[in-house]
Amino acid sequence: GAVVSQHPSWVICKSGTSVKIECRSLDFQATTMFWYRQFPKQSLMLMATSNEGSKATYEQGVEKDKFLINHASLTLSTLTVTSAHPEDSSFYICSASGTSDNEQFFGPGTRLTVL
Amino acid sequence: LAKTTQPISMDSYEGQEVNITCSHNNIATNDYITWYQQFPSQGPRFIIQGYKTKVTNEVASLFIPADRKSSTLSLPRVSLSDTAVYYCLVGQFSGYSTLTFGKGTMLLVSP
Repeated sequence: GAVVSQHPSWVICKSGTSVKIECRSLDFQATTMFWYRQFPKQSLMLMATSNEGSKATYEQGVEKDKFLINHASLTLSTLTVTSAHPEDSSFYICSASGTSDNEQFFGPGTRLTVL
Repeated sequence: LAKTTQPISMDSYEGQEVNITCSHNNIATNDYITWYQQFPSQGPRFIIQGYKTKVTNEVASLFIPADRKSSTLSLPRVSLSDTAVYYCLVGQFSGYSTLTFGKGTMLLVSP
């Protein structure tokens, strides 16, 4: 299957700083990328859907000004957690799909710890 | 989006066959059924996908009855490394379609 990468795989930051997480589709063009958040022992929760070249669509309860999503190309989407706080500590996972695939391809996830 | 219901957890022993059933009573005509596996601190990994009847690949089989209101993931001869959370998802997995993850089934395989 297609490969999706994330960078970094883990990050520790101080409260109040911003953190950028990259999601790349390595061998296919991803018209749509999705960002999920997963807290310990819980399921994945969809945060937002981003289409290349347009604004992201955020799920209810997700602050768009706090979680900035950019999908500037067909192979790269970024999630920036602005002014991070300890409650933002979580496992962030992206997925990507192309128009011709009947599958979403998931990245390996990024562990964010805010001190 | 079709809601899914799975057992919260299952226990098995190495070498046994494990069957995990998922209910999706309001599945739509165009929806596919896909199962993902997730290990701790990793992204979900695609296992198998089907629309109807039976699908088999190198790691699992998926059984879907005619009414498509449920599906069963069958893992033959599980090993310790199959200990993971298994998610059943229903929907259209291409393009802009969003996925809703349920709670999944925590499978624990013991020696």
